[in-house]
Amino acid sequence: DAKTTQPPSMDCAEGRAANLPCNHSTISGNEYVYWYRQIHSQGPQYIIHGLKNNETNEMASLIITEDRKSSTLILPHATLRDTAVYYCIVRVALMRTASKLTFGTGTRLQVTL
Amino acid sequence: DGGITQSPKYLFRKEGQNVTLSCEQNLNHDAMYWYRQDPGQGLRLIYYSQIVNDFQKGDIAEGYSVSREKKESFPLTVTSAQKNPTAFYLCASSLAGQGGQETQYFGPGTRLLVL
Repeated sequence: DAKTTQPPSMDCAEGRAANLPCNHSTISGNEYVYWYRQIHSQGPQYIIHGLKNNETNEMASLIITEDRKSSTLILPHATLRDTAVYYCIVRVALMRTASKLTFGTGTRLQVTL
Repeated sequence: DGGITQSPKYLFRKEGQNVTLSCEQNLNHDAMYWYRQDPGQGLRLIYYSQIVNDFQKGDIAEGYSVSREKKESFPLTVTSAQKNPTAFYLCASSLAGQGGQETQYFGPGTRLLVL
């Protein structure tokens, strides 16, 4: 399974952009990068995913390097409600229509006033 | 209100007892999954199912069993063979046929505690 490496914790001031890095140097060519976040004692929440190109949705932007060995999740204007553990995951196909998400320990983002 | 529901939110198990965790989804998703999360750790896959009446073991299936009699439901039984069952259990589901982009959506979780 492709392994991801994330810093254990980061701080961000409210209203500023939060940039969360992730290394996935062993990723294969057809494996997607997914980002989820988990607020304490809740189920993980899907944020965004991508393969090669940069992606943007209403929650965040995902920047993937050209060699696909790393990516950055950007929360453009962080709020206190964005305080959570953020997981960068490489999706592993199990069967034709099922996949495994291998969650590491993630990055604990603390948004402060 | 669409989504994935898990019940109960908290569950207590006595030594030697089997307990069943419920997971229901009304998203018409094909695949369903069970993960386990220990404190301060990531998630590990227990079992998954692509279609009704079919399921496969994940990375840590020992001491657990599942069934998939209906598309909407994927209950997990924690048996007495599971010696360290205290954990946060998460159910997820995904829609098939997305060309490798089958996004998994998670329920709120069940916290299992051993008395």
